[in-house]
Amino acid sequence: TQLLEQSPQFLSIQEGENLTVYCNSSSVFSSLQWYRQEPGEGPVLLVTVVTGGEVKKLKRLTFQFGDARKDSSLHITAAQPGDTGLYLCAGDLSSGSARQLTFGSGTQLTVLP
Amino acid sequence: GAVVSQHPSWVICKSGTSVKIECRSLDFQATTMFWYRQFPKQSLMLMATSNEGSKATYEQGVEKDKFLINHASLTLSTLTVTSAHPEDSSFYICSARDVRLASTDTQYFGPGTRLTVL
Repeated sequence: TQLLEQSPQFLSIQEGENLTVYCNSSSVFSSLQWYRQEPGEGPVLLVTVVTGGEVKKLKRLTFQFGDARKDSSLHITAAQPGDTGLYLCAGDLSSGSARQLTFGSGTQLTVLP
Repeated sequence: GAVVSQHPSWVICKSGTSVKIECRSLDFQATTMFWYRQFPKQSLMLMATSNEGSKATYEQGVEKDKFLINHASLTLSTLTVTSAHPEDSSFYICSARDVRLASTDTQYFGPGTRLTVL
């Protein structure tokens, strides 16, 4: 059972379109992170959200943390081919001081020119 | 800042041999490093947490005798895949937590190591 569910798993869109990726869990996070990973490379941190209801913007990317801190979304406006990649959400679901990240199932985004 | 390197970036070995992968934090100290495994088109799965100066903590289902982890300094952790077999072929990624940010979830990821076992 995946503790962090992402949807959709795969998304193929045309350049210029908008899209939203969702990350959901039944657990509460102290913080949640979004990463983007390209083939053959490690994940690159895009943003960390901490406060319930928080919204952060990174150019054409908008990240939202749910009020209950159980879910998050990533919205991309006017997608470009350079946005193609695997998008991963991750949060700390461990107890105590372990502070391990649990990764979501991932969303593979392909933006066609 | 916050750069993590891995060496080698890729390795091909014969079945039965052992392979060592290094993970280094280049511009910060890391008391905790993490090792992940990723299969094609899948997410990252945590294998173990590496703590400087102590034994690693392995996730359920990960054989500690097969995946040896050593975290000898604040900037270096190594993962040795012993007696590798084709099913061990995967993309191995490490991450490191800056000691100055130990109270947060922030991890910096290495570029990964592609292991292919023939």
